[in-house]
Amino acid sequence: AQKITQTQPGMFVQEKEAVTLDCTYDTSDPSYGLFWYKQPSSGEMIFLIYQGSYDQQNATEGRYSLNFQKARKSANLVISASQLGDSAMYFCAMSRKFFGNEKLTFGTGTRLTIIP
Amino acid sequence: DTGVSQDPRHKITKRGQNVTFRCDPISEHNRLYWYRQTLGQGPEFLTYFQNEAQLEKSRLLSDRFSAERPKGSFSTLEIQRTEQGDSAMYLCASSPRRTSATYEQYFGPGTRLTVT
Repeated sequence: AQKITQTQPGMFVQEKEAVTLDCTYDTSDPSYGLFWYKQPSSGEMIFLIYQGSYDQQNATEGRYSLNFQKARKSANLVISASQLGDSAMYFCAMSRKFFGNEKLTFGTGTRLTIIP
Repeated sequence: DTGVSQDPRHKITKRGQNVTFRCDPISEHNRLYWYRQTLGQGPEFLTYFQNEAQLEKSRLLSDRFSAERPKGSFSTLEIQRTEQGDSAMYLCASSPRRTSATYEQYFGPGTRLTVT
């Protein structure tokens, strides 16, 4: 079985600062995918970034980067230069196979609040 | 290109009543997923379809729950004899064929169910 652990229920960060959201995972599958989703108060899940288990380099998408440490089974999300619009719930998730077209297992999330 | 749509957005029902939710995926996506999200938790997988075939069901999906995707396009999720514990946000997602360059699941806005 797969498991995602997010140990930060909430975080407060000053606008324009960088922030790291923690995520650790557990799986016995050799092939898997790791995802981060953002959920604003409106409720819709917004995909942010993806990392495959065989990817050698950390994924980056604009201000988002994923710090993938396979030996430690961690997949932390780094948001650079935070903005007020980044205030939301953030969920780490994983899929059983390399592609994301299998069921996703989510963590409990981190509520990020950006302070002006 | 329209996103995933769900109907209704909100549903209030009395305990013991049946409810049905609809999900329309992105048109060229062949996989469709249902998740349930309770307050303060991440989404939990319920079931998913490839075209009209239901490939996997979670143990969370008791015999009061049934999902269909009869023509491989839209899907319905029915809950019979609703209980207060069924109160949650029901999220639908879709994903393209495995050969696509994208990996993520695209989520709809969700249907919030309140059982009184």
